[in-house]
Amino acid sequence: EAQVTQNPRYLITVTGKKLTVTCSQNMNHEYMSWYRQDPGLGLRQIYYSMNVEVTDKGDVPEGYKVSRKEKRNFPLILESPSPNQTSLYFCASRPSSGGARNEQFFGPGTRLTVL
Amino acid sequence: RKEVEQDPGPFNVPEGATVAFNCTYSNSASQSFFWYRQDCRKEPKLLMSVYSSGNEDGRFTAQLNRASQYISLLIRDSKLSDSATYLCVVNDKNSGYALNFGKGTSLLVTP
Repeated sequence: EAQVTQNPRYLITVTGKKLTVTCSQNMNHEYMSWYRQDPGLGLRQIYYSMNVEVTDKGDVPEGYKVSRKEKRNFPLILESPSPNQTSLYFCASRPSSGGARNEQFFGPGTRLTVL
Repeated sequence: RKEVEQDPGPFNVPEGATVAFNCTYSNSASQSFFWYRQDCRKEPKLLMSVYSSGNEDGRFTAQLNRASQYISLLIRDSKLSDSATYLCVVNDKNSGYALNFGKGTSLLVTP
């Protein structure tokens, strides 16, 4: 089944404790990205990657890191989480950068709480 | 980042009603347009792409007006299962092809 998977789905942690949220897609997509979704603010892009070893900042990259060593994986790293990073996080992938028929698939989401 | 604006609602409509959502975008260089649907606390899923000539998929009709930078979604014969948040999405070449999401319009269809 074609899908984007994220782990963990739920995480409660404490300020300053490094964490990684994994993301993997099995559709051979070039483009992957991370979003956070907060009430009243909608979906905001954190980082994106147009291909292996190519990553760039989105709208809200502060406090996050990413890497793209393999095409299928795009982990999100919080080196020193803070309470304002409490949010619902989505990983997404799509075949390439642009185009009207370029459907973007989302993972199921990771609900992160930082105490 | 250029803006995508939607009326947040909520739109409360009875089953069988027709409801229309509107969306405006500020970047005239935007190239691709979509409507996504998001159920509560779930991931967004593509509902339909929006083409310049307008397009229909069953009970759903999408329209694009490039001159006015305006996108619409019409839902006919609303079902209870249509209750969700509808996200207007614009693909912006000048921002690295990032998808620019509106904040969504909430729809509640009641019996």
